[in-house]
Amino acid sequence: RKEVEQDPGPFNVPEGATVAFNCTYSNSASQSFFWYRQDCRKEPKLLMSVYSSGNEDGRFTAQLNRASQYISLLIRDSKLSDSATYLCVVKPMDTGRRALTFGSGTRLQVQP
Amino acid sequence: NAGVTQTPKFQVLKTGQSMTLQCAQDMNHNSMYWYRQDPGMGLRLIYYSASEGTTDKGEVPNGYNVSRLNKREFSLRLESAAPSQTSVYFCATRQGPNTEAFFGQGTRLTVV
Repeated sequence: RKEVEQDPGPFNVPEGATVAFNCTYSNSASQSFFWYRQDCRKEPKLLMSVYSSGNEDGRFTAQLNRASQYISLLIRDSKLSDSATYLCVVKPMDTGRRALTFGSGTRLQVQP
Repeated sequence: NAGVTQTPKFQVLKTGQSMTLQCAQDMNHNSMYWYRQDPGMGLRLIYYSASEGTTDKGEVPNGYNVSRLNKREFSLRLESAAPSQTSVYFCATRQGPNTEAFFGQGTRLTVV
């Protein structure tokens, strides 16, 4: 089982739609969580961190459910510019300062 | 402020050739990482360096070596390239264990 699992999609949605992505992680000791965005043929960039109480940044809302070991990303009022691959990222506690563990990504295509 | 700079951006190698991928950061971060990204696999950690003078293996280290030349620079060497090493390689840096990672623009390597 992969440490971080995501539905690869693609999710094809019309402009203005609300779309949600889920991600599950296997290491219950994970301590930090992030959503990254990756445009085609570009490097990943931080979209937002995910906090235990949930957090919002404009049209984006991230939620963490430690009991079920999943995190989610909700995008409201989708824009064409939101088309990208969204990577779920987890920092397992027991790997010390080693690295972040990345999911394979969920591809979003927003259509006019 | 360039952030994280990788060179080269593109490279084609013949099987058995060697090359070094360079990474330099001006963010004064302690930790540096090399990932590879393959379709459907997400980013996988090759090697990392928690601080100047230290390096450790990640998930897929075979066929690679690294050097943390100083705080700014972390290079990845392929001693004898194989077609299985065809991939996109990303260098990343982080300040601390629970902070976000910043990525270079990537190196697209093809081994024929």
